[in-house]
Amino acid sequence: QVQLVQSGAEVQKPGSSVKVSCKASGGTFSSYAVVWVRQAPGQGLEWMGSVVHRYGTSNYARKFQGRVTISTDESASTVYLEMSSLRSEDTAVYYCAIWGMGGRDTWFDPWGQGTLVAVSS
Amino acid sequence: QSVLTQPPSASGTPGQRVTISCSGSNSNIGSNYVFWYQQLPGTAPKVLIYRNNQRPSGVPDRFSGSKSGTSASLAISGLRSEDEADYHCATWDDSLGGWVFGGGTKVTVL
Repeated sequence: QVQLVQSGAEVQKPGSSVKVSCKASGGTFSSYAVVWVRQAPGQGLEWMGSVVHRYGTSNYARKFQGRVTISTDESASTVYLEMSSLRSEDTAVYYCAIWGMGGRDTWFDPWGQGTLVAVSS
Repeated sequence: QSVLTQPPSASGTPGQRVTISCSGSNSNIGSNYVFWYQQLPGTAPKVLIYRNNQRPSGVPDRFSGSKSGTSASLAISGLRSEDEADYHCATWDDSLGGWVFGGGTKVTVL
């Protein structure tokens, strides 16, 4: 069973960028899709985007297009989420999760432990 | 503002039945499967119900899901203290071309 281990908490200044990593242990991402979901303090979950490795395609929520990039380093079994032009509203816990083969009939499992990104001057 | 609408809170005493609603539209719940995730305090979400009403192995049969038209619901019967958590519904939205979630419902066991 693949497990996902995310990078540690980050504190960033407004206007800067952050790159969060999600490493697969006990397996690889090669045949799986991966999603990134964030959760602002006291709020619900928000899908940010996904990468479907069997097709080599990425898809982003409209509000994040142009500001977020999901990339993969196959040799390191790691998926990255990079977000630029950070603002205080981006303060949240960021989760990665396996999305099976990437179909709309497939759920997110397992999840990483989450990475807190705090944006503050 | 979440695309799917859930009540912010629900509660019950041990042994009671609690139901959580999730309301959407034709472009999301009306034409796609609904998934439910349980998030225990301080932890990452975990799938509880998939494809409207299916339980992954290990999930007690006290949890059940249903869907009708553009709404879905999660029922917890025989409520237990360990069921205190946030519950999130999710589905694919054809118009948005991505996943949408409800705002989450916090279940409290009185």
